[in-house]
Amino acid sequence: AQSVAQPEDQVNVAEGNPLTVKCTYSVSGNPYLFWYVQYPNRGLQFLLKYITGDNLVKGSYGFEAEFNKSQTSFHLKKPSALVSDSALYFCAVRDRGSNTGKLIFGQGTTLQVKP
Amino acid sequence: NAGVTQTPKFQVLKTGQSMTLQCAQDMNHNSMYWYRQDPGMGLRLIYYSASEGTTDKGEVPNGYNVSRLNKREFSLRLESAAPSQTSVYFCASLGVGRGTSGRGADTQYFGPGTRLTVL
Repeated sequence: AQSVAQPEDQVNVAEGNPLTVKCTYSVSGNPYLFWYVQYPNRGLQFLLKYITGDNLVKGSYGFEAEFNKSQTSFHLKKPSALVSDSALYFCAVRDRGSNTGKLIFGQGTTLQVKP
Repeated sequence: NAGVTQTPKFQVLKTGQSMTLQCAQDMNHNSMYWYRQDPGMGLRLIYYSASEGTTDKGEVPNGYNVSRLNKREFSLRLESAAPSQTSVYFCASLGVGRGTSGRGADTQYFGPGTRLTVL
C-alpha cells in the first residue's frame, strides 16, 4: 500500500538558521512528490513538486526539496528560516501510473520558527 | 480568477441533520476532490471525480455522497451527520497537462476549507 511518513510532528528552528522537514514515502514505481504549506485557518498552498529531471527542486518562498530515490525521501529545506515560515507542512505522493490524480498525504509537520 | 471556492466557511450541525458543502473551480480543470483534515492524520480523500459525470470513492467515503453537477462544481453531502464527521473539509481540483509542462500541470489546487462541527 502507498504511504507517506513525516516522522516529526514538530520542528523548531531559530530565525536565520537552516531548516529541514523530513518526508519518506512508500510507493511502487517512480512517484510524483509534492510539498504543500498550510497557514492557520487557510487552505493548502502548493510549494513545489518533483516530477522528473533534476533531483533538487526549487519552489516558492525560497524552499527546495531533494528527491532521493535510494532512500525514498523527499525532504523540504530552506537555507535561512523566517518567522513567517511558521506553518503546517504536508508532503504528498502520487502514483505516476495513475490517471486519477489522487494524492496520499503525510500527517503533517508543524514548523515553528522563533525570533 | 477565484481558483477553488467553497461554501460555507463554517457550519454547526446537530447529529442527524443533513447538509451539502459546495465547491466550484474556474480553472477549467477536469478532476476534483474532497478531503477531510483531522489533527495528526493529514488529509484523507473522501471522494473524487476524474471528469464530469464520474465519481469514485476515496479512502473514507462512508457517510458521504457527492455530485459532480457540471465541470465547475463538485458538492459533498452529509445525509445524517454524526459527531465523527466533525472535521475541516477541503475541495481541490487538478491542473491539466502531464509532466513538467506548466506550473499547474499535475498539481492539485485547494479551496479555503469548511470547518464543520457536529454536536
